[in-house]
Amino acid sequence: KQEVTQIPAALSVPEGENLVLNCSFTDSAIYNLQWFRQDPGKGLTSLLLIQSSQREQTSGRLNASLDKSSGRSTLYIAASQPGDSATYLCAVSNTGNQFYFGTGTSLTVIP
Amino acid sequence: SQTIHQWPATLVQPVGSPLSLECTVEGTSNPNLYWYRQAAGRGLQLLFYSVGIGQISSEVPQNLSASRPQDRQFILSSKKLLLSDSGFYLCAWSGGGGRRDIQYFGAGTRLSVL
Repeated sequence: KQEVTQIPAALSVPEGENLVLNCSFTDSAIYNLQWFRQDPGKGLTSLLLIQSSQREQTSGRLNASLDKSSGRSTLYIAASQPGDSATYLCAVSNTGNQFYFGTGTSLTVIP
Repeated sequence: SQTIHQWPATLVQPVGSPLSLECTVEGTSNPNLYWYRQAAGRGLQLLFYSVGIGQISSEVPQNLSASRPQDRQFILSSKKLLLSDSGFYLCAWSGGGGRRDIQYFGAGTRLSVL
């Protein structure tokens, strides 16, 4: 069964810093990988989706990379802002119908 | 545009009471539907998913059940709640004529079993 791990569990950075969140998965035969943002007590908002054939996706200050062979993905956030404070979750899909989530990284950006 | 509704937003129930959480999707047809649970400090655990009316797949053995009586309606139920059923429950959908590999989530239901 696919297992997804996210490191670190929590991260606190001063405003303006660039940062990297990590996600690893045990089964490299994935269909896609998705990064989500979750604000406290709220649902999940999709940030970026990387297909298994892709190596990276970019949206604004966010850049997600995928190394399927090593079972790793990173989410790079440039010039962090206090509004970026949230929990970031990665999820992998093996078939396109089922998704397996990591435990998340709780990010705090200090003004 | 597509929207997903989940209710109630919060729920406090005594141990042994029944449960019914409802999720509906608008603006799409034949979506994949999902129920997840998020326990405090833990990741999302997939509980059930459905690829069509009456088709339910369960990921883990548990005290809960799911049903899909209509194309865009997904219900999570229990006959007798346990303390361990407390958590944040999220409904999600994908597909419906679009991409089935992108999920969209509801706002969640916070369930406290006392």
